[in-house]
Amino acid sequence: SQQGEEDPQALSIQEGENATMNCSYKTSINNLQWYRQNSGRGLVHLILIRSNEREKHSGRLRVTLDTSKKSSSLLITASRAADTASYFCATDGNQGGKLIFGQGTELSVKP
Amino acid sequence: DTAVSQTPKYLVTQMGNDKSIKCEQNLGHDTMYWYKQDSKKFLKIMFSYNNKELIINETVPNRFSPKSPDKAHLNLHINSLELGDSAVYFCASSLTGGDTEAFFGQGTRLTVV
Repeated sequence: SQQGEEDPQALSIQEGENATMNCSYKTSINNLQWYRQNSGRGLVHLILIRSNEREKHSGRLRVTLDTSKKSSSLLITASRAADTASYFCATDGNQGGKLIFGQGTELSVKP
Repeated sequence: DTAVSQTPKYLVTQMGNDKSIKCEQNLGHDTMYWYKQDSKKFLKIMFSYNNKELIINETVPNRFSPKSPDKAHLNLHINSLELGDSAVYFCASSLTGGDTEAFFGQGTRLTVV
């Protein structure tokens, strides 16, 4: 069954602006991961946040996790045209590595 | 040096045919997966193998059969292809079966006509 719901489904911003994507999930998790998918390409891992962590940073990315609300957010600061892609959250519920993906957010960054 | 490579990248075939997609990883990972991405970009796991042993087998038609000759390879064979099998199939691997990031291949776009 689908685990993650992502919001918004699509987001269009100007270069330099920040982009925030949200993910909600339903069951308990070991960790939550964010992936990027460029058009016609495979998924690239961005960041993993464990269930006992609340916030994590990687370069221009900031991820938060609220296990009480079963939600996470991905913030991309100072966006660039190259950030244009689909972004997926995926939950790992300690089921042998099985990732359950959200529907994704399509981000378009206009130069 | 591609970490997870799958072939072919595109596959167009007629209904009823049998086809295979191959996947290889050179990362030394123990666990490999097959995911299916539909036309709405929804990704769902199909199978996972850990050291050649089947670990996850989601509700997938019997026409789909994974085969892992060694821990670096996981192939997907599909019998009697149907129109609804059209999708992008992704192979992935991870160091262990869980609590770690997954590395994905470029995908195989399967079109059944």
